[in-house]
Amino acid sequence: QKEVEQNSGPLSVPEGAIASLNCTYSDRGSQSFFWYRQYSGKSPELIMSIYSNGDKEDGRFTAQLNKASQYVSLLIRDSQPSDSATYLCAVNDRDDKIIFGKGTRLHILP
Amino acid sequence: GAVVSQHPSWVICKSGTSVKIECRSLDFQATTMFWYRQFPKQSLMLMATSNEGSKATYEQGVEKDKFLINHASLTLSTLTVTSAHPEDSSFYICSARGQGGYEQYFGPGTRLTVT
Repeated sequence: QKEVEQNSGPLSVPEGAIASLNCTYSDRGSQSFFWYRQYSGKSPELIMSIYSNGDKEDGRFTAQLNKASQYVSLLIRDSQPSDSATYLCAVNDRDDKIIFGKGTRLHILP
Repeated sequence: GAVVSQHPSWVICKSGTSVKIECRSLDFQATTMFWYRQFPKQSLMLMATSNEGSKATYEQGVEKDKFLINHASLTLSTLTVTSAHPEDSSFYICSARGQGGYEQYFGPGTRLTVT
């Protein structure tokens, strides 16, 4: 059973601090990794994709990938109340199907 | 770029009737479209995957005769919920992926209420 695991949270982070979201996956053959943000009552929105080991930065967001450890993370710098949402980790498995984690609820404290 | 629309955004129907939901990729050709369902405070559940011009592949436990999926063109897929029941009330979301792409882009979702 291919799995993507996330801590459900809620993760509470003070405004202005760094929020760190983590994800592990079971399929070693996975090659593509994504982070989606989902506000309550809305559909998921793609915020980051990463395909190779290391860091990828886009504005306040940094995705980190370690394939040897089967670990993906998302860092949000200078957290804002508008970042409060559920963050979904998603992994493309070797059958080219995206497996979603159950999501981590992030709460930015004003 | 990579915009996906859904119509309608919400719908209320009576038990026993059928409802059709449209999913369109507006600025790219979607070779693969996905249909998800999400109940309140629960995670996304993949219902089926459809490739343009082919029959949809349904996930285990999803009734193909109840949830009819058509992907007739590279920009349009439809989901028809037949003989809807109150337990079908949910948030239905489509996503689309272009040829050679790895990223899925989601539509805004359709909230279905069956009375």
